[in-house]
Amino acid sequence: AQSVTQPDIHITVSEGASLELRCNYSYGATPYLFWYVQSPGQGLQLLLKYFSGDTLVQGIKGFEAEFKRSQSSFNLRKPSVHWSDAAEYFCAVVPTGGGNKLTFGTGTQLKVEL
Amino acid sequence: GAVVSQHPSRVICKSGTSVKIECRSLDFQATTMFWYRQFPKQSLMLMATSNEGSKATYEQGVEKDKFLINHASLTLSTLTVTSAHPEDSSFYICSASGGDRPDTQYFGPGTRLTVL
Repeated sequence: AQSVTQPDIHITVSEGASLELRCNYSYGATPYLFWYVQSPGQGLQLLLKYFSGDTLVQGIKGFEAEFKRSQSSFNLRKPSVHWSDAAEYFCAVVPTGGGNKLTFGTGTQLKVEL
Repeated sequence: GAVVSQHPSRVICKSGTSVKIECRSLDFQATTMFWYRQFPKQSLMLMATSNEGSKATYEQGVEKDKFLINHASLTLSTLTVTSAHPEDSSFYICSASGGDRPDTQYFGPGTRLTVL
């Protein structure tokens, strides 16, 4: 079955430390891949997306993600986390050629310790 | 660019009344709009997809007569929760795609609905 998995429900990092949030997908063909961030009580903000081409994608707020076909992964990274990065992070996919209906992962709650 | 607004941001209503939530794309033409529902500490659940000028397509299990969706223009979609009950209390989020961004959804800030 097609699915998106975010293995980590909660992650806590210290401010200034590096961050990696994991995302794996299970689709026959490589889907379109997205990372969104949601602050409490807010909507979702697009951090970055991958459709094709360079597998290392740069996004806003200093985030980047790397698409690895062999691992069916699209992990989100940031070299140095700021306290304001504390939020819920969602990986999402759209099947290639399957319209634009998003399927979300369950989300990862990021806590930043000062 | 790609700004989506929702109104109201928060609404409290009595059981049995209807509530309308507006979703607007402010700087692009949204050929497709989506409505989601989010329960506390959970991911987003797609309720329906609407294309401008067409009837909305509802996901399985979503009552179309209870959640009325209208997408009358390229910048506005509305969700009306009819005869609301406490179990309809939730966070409702819309998103929009279109223009030169047909493959990407941009989300509104959400509407917190509380039914007493």
